[in-house]
Amino acid sequence: ETGVTQTPRHLVMGMTNKKSLKCEQHLGHNAMYWYKQSAKKPLELMFVYSLEERVENNSVPSRFSPECPNSSHLFLHLHTLQPEDSALYLCASSQDRRLAGSKYFGAGTRLSVL
Amino acid sequence: QKEVEQNSGPLSVPEGAIASLNCTYSDRGSQSFFWYRQYSGKSPELIMFIYSNGDKEDGRFTAQLNKASQYVSLLIRDSQPSDSATYLCAAIGGGADGLTFGKGTHLIIQP
Repeated sequence: ETGVTQTPRHLVMGMTNKKSLKCEQHLGHNAMYWYKQSAKKPLELMFVYSLEERVENNSVPSRFSPECPNSSHLFLHLHTLQPEDSALYLCASSQDRRLAGSKYFGAGTRLSVL
Repeated sequence: QKEVEQNSGPLSVPEGAIASLNCTYSDRGSQSFFWYRQYSGKSPELIMFIYSNGDKEDGRFTAQLNKASQYVSLLIRDSQPSDSATYLCAAIGGGADGLTFGKGTHLIIQP
């Protein structure tokens, strides 16, 4: 148990559905991240939040919408996804952005888009 | 574009031997380097980091950094079957997050 909890663990959705992924960290960290992990590809950073403010969006399509209501919770809202969005979505946290290399990852949500 | 390159493997090593995992990076501005281990179906877990040239040892693990050659390696001594996993190399430099991951090397320790 890393102290970063993600729900759901598995999600199957159609291209017209709207769903949300949830992440919660109990480590007192100030920075939280969303990553996408696809087969045969490096981990891709999607979003960075520091003290609840978004600091980076690596050109992620607008069908992915993050929300960080407080420093312990992070959401990823999904709508009108494409089959190529099927992947493992990982949430991570670090003490702060300066320690971004030392991340704690959640177990991930395995997303399948039909 | 910043890149971190790793041989995807699989790298097969007999139990008890030394496993050597290698990584190169393209950005000379990279300052710190991290090794994450990811078991199949699990999330990445940080096992080592290094930011100075030379070797850094932690138990059975040794990280090596050569900034002139832009080369990072991870040595695992006395390899155990439980070390079988994918090892991700990551480098950090400038930028808001700045952490660039390689694709990972799949390591298999054969009993």
